[in-house]
Amino acid sequence: DAKTTQPPSMDCAEGRAANLPCNHSTISGNEYVYWYRQIHSQGPQYIIHGLKNNETNEMASLIITEDRKSSTLILPHATLRDTAVYYCIVRVFALNTGNQFYFGTGTSLTVIP
Amino acid sequence: DGGITQSPKYLFRKEGQNVTLSCEQNLNHDAMYWYRQDPGQGLRLIYYSQIVNDFQKGDIAEGYSVSREKKESFPLTVTSAQKNPTAFYLCASTINAGVNEQFFGPGTRLTVL
Repeated sequence: DAKTTQPPSMDCAEGRAANLPCNHSTISGNEYVYWYRQIHSQGPQYIIHGLKNNETNEMASLIITEDRKSSTLILPHATLRDTAVYYCIVRVFALNTGNQFYFGTGTSLTVIP
Repeated sequence: DGGITQSPKYLFRKEGQNVTLSCEQNLNHDAMYWYRQDPGQGLRLIYYSQIVNDFQKGDIAEGYSVSREKKESFPLTVTSAQKNPTAFYLCASTINAGVNEQFFGPGTRLTVL
């Protein structure tokens, strides 16, 4: 059960902001949203995570809607090196199973020169 | 330099042979995970372990086995019972306490001939 849905692919012009949407309509109150990206044949790389407030770090911003049913990852100035598959993930924690990260199929972002 | 190592990067085996994929971490993480990734797909959980000497099946455990004798190591054996073993295998780890991201290794691409 992926718990998230994302568009399969997107393009973005180099230097422009890339806005990647994610739906997680069944998310529960204590479940976090994480974003990772994966460059071909490498391990996924952590980008950012949040619960209900918007978050920003040196890589990206995460905007979570008030009802928490969707979120948007923003790469403010996309570069060619940002071309990758971006995964929106719901993290569930339970005492008997620990942390579980539910990956969907991701969005393949292509940054165009 | 802390991180997760997986070896080898590429692995070839004949059909019917068992093969063991290595995963080592020096991050002092409690939990470790094995995922499988097929072309154009997201990550699917094979097995995970929250603590030493304990592990639990993920969504696609059939045909795989694991052990967790040391905190740093979580090897995965792909047995001959796995009907379609050719895939990209990713190992990950995380601290169970608090809100933390999952760290990934570089992956092993297994090809069964």
